[in-house]
Amino acid sequence: GENVEQHPSTLSVQEGDSAVIKCTYSDSASNYFPWYKQELGKRPQLIIDIRSNVGEKKDQRIAVTLNKTAKHFSLHITETQPEDSAVYFCAASFNQAGTALIFGKGTTLSVSS
Amino acid sequence: GAVVSQHPSWVICKSGTSVKIECRSLDFQATTMFWYRQFPKQSLMLMATSNEGSKATYEQGVEKDKFLINHASLTLSTLTVTSAHPEDSSFYICSARDNGQTYSNQPQHFGDGTRLSIL
Repeated sequence: GENVEQHPSTLSVQEGDSAVIKCTYSDSASNYFPWYKQELGKRPQLIIDIRSNVGEKKDQRIAVTLNKTAKHFSLHITETQPEDSAVYFCAASFNQAGTALIFGKGTTLSVSS
Repeated sequence: GAVVSQHPSWVICKSGTSVKIECRSLDFQATTMFWYRQFPKQSLMLMATSNEGSKATYEQGVEKDKFLINHASLTLSTLTVTSAHPEDSSFYICSARDNGQTYSNQPQHFGDGTRLSIL
């Protein structure tokens, strides 16, 4: 089955700096890679996702890159703000009915002002 | 947008009791729903895949007789934690995808989660 590794487990940055979180996956059949932000006690919120037919996707301050050959993908947050502080999870799956998302272990991002 | 409703949001009960958690897709149909468990400061771990009209598929290490899953309709899946003990205390979250959309365009939608505390 799929296995997703995520690094780092914790990340502290100053407000305005960039933050990068990296994930690797094991199953070459996986073709859908979402990123979630989770605040304490709440549901994960989808912030961006990428499918295997593209290498990069951007949405304002957030971008995701995918390297299918190396089986890794990364989340980039630019101009970080204190409200970006949360736990971020990457996930991978084969995007069809009946296939669950497999999550990385999470990264706790702290943005200090 | 698509909404998944999960109920209850918080349960506190005595050891040995059974607890039922409901997961409903409010504005779409879902042949498949997923149940995750999340311990404090840990990731979401897939417990089982709930299939409408058939048996659930459990992940390795998850006891099917302890975590009973029923998916009787296209909008409702239930997870029953039987004879719950303190070690079952956790955050349980369900998710689902919309049957009616092309899967390549649809993310999973998560419920708000249920915090289960067994005394």
